Amino acid sequence: DSGVTQTPKHLITATGQRVTLRCSPRSGDLSVYWYQQSLDQGLQFLIHYYNGEERAKGNILERFSAQQFPDLHSELNLSSLELGDSALYFCASSFRGSGDYEQYFGPGTRLTVT
Amino acid sequence: GQQVMQIPQYQHVQEGEDFTTYCNSSTTLSNIQWYKQRPGGHPVFLIQLVKSGEVKKQKRLTFQFGEAKKNSSLHITATQTTDVGTYFCAGTGANNLFFGTGTRLTVIP
Repeated sequence: DSGVTQTPKHLITATGQRVTLRCSPRSGDLSVYWYQQSLDQGLQFLIHYYNGEERAKGNILERFSAQQFPDLHSELNLSSLELGDSALYFCASSFRGSGDYEQYFGPGTRLTVT
Repeated sequence: GQQVMQIPQYQHVQEGEDFTTYCNSSTTLSNIQWYKQRPGGHPVFLIQLVKSGEVKKQKRLTFQFGEAKKNSSLHITATQTTDVGTYFCAGTGANNLFFGTGTRLTVIP
């Protein structure tokens, strides 16, 4: 158990819909990272928040947005969903925001768009 | 942008054989991390290398960081079925990690 929690575990929704994925970092960690992993693919970095502020952005679509709240939990919002958005979404947390600390991954949310 | 490539993409080995995955970056890295993802699981941190030419060992796993800090390798000696999974390297840059494409290891008993 990494100490990072993600909800829900599974999500099935239809094209065009909007969903919210939630992540709670390990106690004491200030950074939250979001990744997308499609079937048999690598980890695509989406976005990084540190202590409530956006730190870095990867190849995140305009239909996707995220935020980190004062209690440090984070939410990833995916809207106007397309079939190609079906993937495993991981969040990870780390203590610092510089990217050179080990990241602890949550169990992931598997999103299926039908 | 920064890219981290890994080879091979897939590797099947007989239990007891050795395994090596290689990681190459298009730019010089501050440091490199290695993660393992078991089938159906999430990535788990294995190790971080910081110094040029650094070599670290964890039991049967040997990690190397190249002299130019642009490449790295993970070598597993005498693979076991518990080594099955995908191994990712990740380089630091711009306040995040750039994950490699991963090498999926299958160990045949």
